[in-house]
Amino acid sequence: GQQLNQSPQSMFIQEGEDVSMNCTSSSIFNTWLWYKQDPGEGPVLLIALYKAGELTSNGRLTAQFGITRKDSFLNISASIPSDVGIYFCAGRWGSNYKLTFGKGTLLTVNP
Amino acid sequence: GAGVSQSPRYKVTKRGQDVALRCDPISGHVSLYWYRQALGQGPEFLTYFNYEAQQDKSGLPNDRFSAERPEGSISTLTIQRTEQRDSAMYRCASSLVTSGTDTQYFGPGTRLTVL
Repeated sequence: GQQLNQSPQSMFIQEGEDVSMNCTSSSIFNTWLWYKQDPGEGPVLLIALYKAGELTSNGRLTAQFGITRKDSFLNISASIPSDVGIYFCAGRWGSNYKLTFGKGTLLTVNP
Repeated sequence: GAGVSQSPRYKVTKRGQDVALRCDPISGHVSLYWYRQALGQGPEFLTYFNYEAQQDKSGLPNDRFSAERPEGSISTLTIQRTEQRDSAMYRCASSLVTSGTDTQYFGPGTRLTVL
């Protein structure tokens, strides 16, 4: 089955630093999604990408859909304490409703 | 309601007992999904409903797991004869329609602990 490798597993950074995390897949996806999960809450969609090569921003967040359709990355610029949480990538094939998630990147921001 | 709600938020049970986990999707959402999330992992798909019809149950681990959504709104995930390996966070999500671009909104989850 499809597997997602998400890295890094965890990051500990200083407030104001930029952050980059990525996801690679063993097979092609048609949609890449990035979610954030806060403690005690469910994942919340941050950015959705639907075309290979697509670069999309949401405030300080920027994500790209790799041209091979097997990878994606998420950048967070000028991190702030509320960026703390677990970031998940997820992929979807075609119009398939099933999401395949990565294992998550735990981000800690030191004020 | 404003978002997806799940109950109970925490459930501790003894091995061998049956448990029922409830999901109340966002009002008007047609599609409902159940996921299981182990510690340190991302959510893993269990089953999916379109209205009241269970369209896909390929992710259910075994026949002790079942789900229903009889009126196309609230859904119940039932685990019979629970085992310790069933301990996990069980998350429900809903979306307005079923499509490759529709956003799935997740609930806060039910943390199940089987002793």
